[in-house]
Amino acid sequence: NAGVTQTPKFQVLKTGQSMTLQCAQDMNHNSMYWYRQDPGMGLRLIYYSASEGTTDKGEVPNGYNVSRLNKREFSLRLESAAPSQTSVYFCASRLAGGRDEQFFGPGTRLTVL
Amino acid sequence: TQLLEQSPQFLSIQEGENLTVYCNSSSVFSSLQWYRQEPGEGPVLLVTVVTGGEVKKLKRLTFQFGDARKDSSLHITAAQPGDTGLYLCAGAVGDYKLSFGAGTTVTVRA
Repeated sequence: NAGVTQTPKFQVLKTGQSMTLQCAQDMNHNSMYWYRQDPGMGLRLIYYSASEGTTDKGEVPNGYNVSRLNKREFSLRLESAAPSQTSVYFCASRLAGGRDEQFFGPGTRLTVL
Repeated sequence: TQLLEQSPQFLSIQEGENLTVYCNSSSVFSSLQWYRQEPGEGPVLLVTVVTGGEVKKLKRLTFQFGDARKDSSLHITAAQPGDTGLYLCAGAVGDYKLSFGAGTTVTVRA
């Protein structure tokens, strides 16, 4: 089992460029999440998908879009990158919700110049 | 504004000492989780607490959920260098979301 995988691991963009972060899980989980992590801020939820076919905004959705491609895959798109989006991005999944454990991917370190 | 406030933000201690990390909120949570994150990796779940006043032990780690389910603490006895990492608390919000605290960076010196 690979668990939660993310690509790429590192990315450098120029302001205004676009890119898509990919995430996949092989645990047959229903819920998937995208977070960003900045120093001193903990993890902040960008978007989540409670189940296949649904997506909802989290705390900091502005500048991002998501697609739940199927049960396994959940992608995050930056349409026009800004320096404020420099961060480490984590994808996570859990079986459903409530008390279930969230399993995290290894993260993508994104720098926007 | 984060729902959960963690303190202290940084903690550096000598091997063998004890430490406590606090996680406080004005909100009530149906459950609360503690995660540990090592550099370059994603967080990993340590424990979930669900009942007010609950105490759970995981080897040298003791987790407590406040009676009112608004706060929690993590106590490490006789800390070891392997305990070094970022400790995050997270409270359940609604059916699917977690709200994370800003984290406590713990460094245990050999």
